Amino acid sequence: DAGVIQSPRHEVTEMGQEVTLRCKPISGHDYLFWYRQTMMRGLELLIYFNNNVPIDDSGMPEDRFSAKMPNASFSTLKIQPSEPRDSAVYFCASSEADTQYFGPGTRLTVL
Amino acid sequence: SQQGEEDPQALSIQEGENATMNCSYKTSINNLQWYRQNSGRGLVHLILIRSNEREKHSGRLRVTLDTSKKSSSLLITASRAADTASYFCATTRLNFGNEKLTFGTGTRLTIIP
Repeated sequence: DAGVIQSPRHEVTEMGQEVTLRCKPISGHDYLFWYRQTMMRGLELLIYFNNNVPIDDSGMPEDRFSAKMPNASFSTLKIQPSEPRDSAVYFCASSEADTQYFGPGTRLTVL
Repeated sequence: SQQGEEDPQALSIQEGENATMNCSYKTSINNLQWYRQNSGRGLVHLILIRSNEREKHSGRLRVTLDTSKKSSSLLITASRAADTASYFCATTRLNFGNEKLTFGTGTRLTIIP
C-alpha cells in the first residue's frame, strides 16, 4: 500500500483565497483524521470521520474551515477565506484500530 | 489543552548513548502511544502500551507506563544518528474509545555523531 497520500505537498496563497487540501487514506481504514501542526500550538486534531461520517469537529477553528469525506477513499479540508494565521502544516491520518498512519502533510503558507 | 507534556523539550546526546524521554498526562487513559516525526515528515507510530501494562519493548525501544503517576517514559538504547527526530506521546482517554488521540508537545532529540 502507498500509505496515506496528501496533495498538494506545498501551497502558497494570498489572504482571502480558497484553499483545498486533499487526502487519500489507506485502503480499508475506517477512520480519517485531519490535524494542524504549528510551532506555537503543536499538533491539533481538527476533525475526524468514521466510515465517512464526521464524528468530532470540535477542533475546527471556525466556520472558515470545512471538511468532507464523500467516499472511503477521499477527503478534503477547505479553508475559505484563508488568513495568514492559517499558515501551518496540515496532516491527514487514517486508522483501522489504535494506531494512526500519517500522510506527509501539506505545508500551507498564506501571505 | 494538550493531554500530554513531554520532558525534556529538547535533548542532545552522543551517538551510542541512551536517550530517555518522559511524558505526563492528565486524565485516565486506555492506552499510550509514542510517535516519531522526522523533520518535514508525518508522524510514524513506534509503540503502544495499554493501561494494564507496565513495560514494553520493541527493538531498541523500551516504554514504561506508571498510571498512578500518569506518566510514561521512552528509552532509546544505543542511539544512532538516524534517531534524530521529534518524539511525541499520544493518549486515548478512558471510556472515550481508542480512535481519538491527544498528542503531547514533543521532545526534540538530536544525536551527535
